[in-house]
Amino acid sequence: GNSVTQMEGPVTLSEEAFLTINCTYTATGYPSLFWYVQYPGEGLQLLLKATKADDKGSNKGFEATYRKETTSFHLEKGSVQVSDSAVYFCALSPINTNAGKSTFGDGTTLTVKP
Amino acid sequence: DTAVSQTPKYLVTQMGNDKSIKCEQNLGHDTMYWYKQDSKKFLKIMFSYNNKELIINETVPNRFSPKSPDKAHLNLHINSLELGDSAVYFCASSLGGEQYFGPGTRLTVT
Repeated sequence: GNSVTQMEGPVTLSEEAFLTINCTYTATGYPSLFWYVQYPGEGLQLLLKATKADDKGSNKGFEATYRKETTSFHLEKGSVQVSDSAVYFCALSPINTNAGKSTFGDGTTLTVKP
Repeated sequence: DTAVSQTPKYLVTQMGNDKSIKCEQNLGHDTMYWYKQDSKKFLKIMFSYNNKELIINETVPNRFSPKSPDKAHLNLHINSLELGDSAVYFCASSLGGEQYFGPGTRLTVT
C-alpha cells in the first residue's frame, strides 16, 4: 500500500533560519504530492502541491520538488517567521482519487522563536 | 462563505452518551471524508463517501456511523461514547486529490 514518511518533530528554529522538513513516499504509479499546514486550533489547509515528476510547488516562500528518483518531496523555506509555527503534513493522493484515498504523514510540529 | 463547515466546534459529553457531528461543504465536490486527529496530531482516515456512497471504511468501531443525506453533507453519529473517542474530528471534501478541511470538532469525553 501507499505510505508517507516525514521527518519526526518537533523542530525548533530561530526566526530567519532555513527550514527543511523531509518527506519520502511509497506508492504505486505516479501520485500527486501535497504539503498541508495546520495552524493552532484550525483545520489543515493546502500549502503547496505537485502533480508530476520534477514539478516544483511553491507558496508563501515554501517550496517542494517532486523527485521521482528519490521518491521524495522535501519542504523548504529560506527564512522562517514566527507566524510559520504550525504542524506540517506531507501527503500523497493516487491519480484515480474516486477509488483511492489520500495518505498522510505523521506531521511535523515547527516552532519558530523570535 | 465557508467552504467546509462543521458543527459543533466543541463537544463535551460523558461516557455512554450518543452524539452527532454535522458537516457541510459548498464546493460541489463529490467526495467527503471523516478524519480523527489524536493528541499527538496523527491524522487517521475513518470514512469516505463518493456521491453519497460509502467507499472507505477504515476499521472503525461499529459505534461510529456516518450518514450522507446528499453529496453536500456528511454527518457522523457516535454511540456509547468512550474515553478513547476524545479527539479532534475533521470533515473534508476533495477534488483532484486535494483535500479541503473543515475547522474540526474537538470532542471531549469525561
